[in-house]
Amino acid sequence: AQKVTQAQTEISVVEKEDVTLDCVYETRDTTYYLFWYKQPPSGELVFLIRRNSFDEQNEISGRYSWNFQKSTSSFNFTITASQVVDSAVYFCALRQRGDSSYKLIFGSGTRLLVRP
Amino acid sequence: DSGVTQTPKHLITATGQRVTLRCSPRSGDLSVYWYQQSLDQGLQFLIQYYNGEERAKGNILERFSAQQFPDLHSELNLSSLELGDSALYFCASSSSGTSNEQFFGPGTRLTVL
Repeated sequence: AQKVTQAQTEISVVEKEDVTLDCVYETRDTTYYLFWYKQPPSGELVFLIRRNSFDEQNEISGRYSWNFQKSTSSFNFTITASQVVDSAVYFCALRQRGDSSYKLIFGSGTRLLVRP
Repeated sequence: DSGVTQTPKHLITATGQRVTLRCSPRSGDLSVYWYQQSLDQGLQFLIQYYNGEERAKGNILERFSAQQFPDLHSELNLSSLELGDSALYFCASSSSGTSNEQFFGPGTRLTVL
């Protein structure tokens, strides 16, 4: 079975706080790809990052960082020094290499509210 | 701007009607995907086309159909609309290759009254 779980439905923080969004996935494939997308209030889905299953190196991009741990099937996303503009719904997604459709399986999303 | 365009942005129609949603992929992308985002089902894959041919189907109702044209734009046709079809419909495109990320269009918000 393939599944993505984002247990945190909604998180509220005060600006400048650090926040971590959790993502746990299930897959039988040994090769797969993980993604994070941001959906701001305007509604579009913005690609943030792709991670291959064979590359467990953590990644940092400005205030964003991602922690990929195969041992716990997790791909968590941390925003450092959060800003009001970070308020959005964040989706974690999985694609299995063995799936010829290349479709993305999304988690249910975590709504992040950053208060000034 | 992802480079994927979708029209119309909003669509309001009545039950039983038929609508067509249009998507133009990023330049050079051969794959087009359609997703539905609803409050109860979340983001769900509907169907994928690759270079004009259907590649895979997901949770797409029989009342829904899609196609990809020679110029690679795609249309999603929704017929016999029901209240439950109200949702945000996204189109995404990607270049070939399993690892490549999908870039999403701005979506079409469909409201069925």
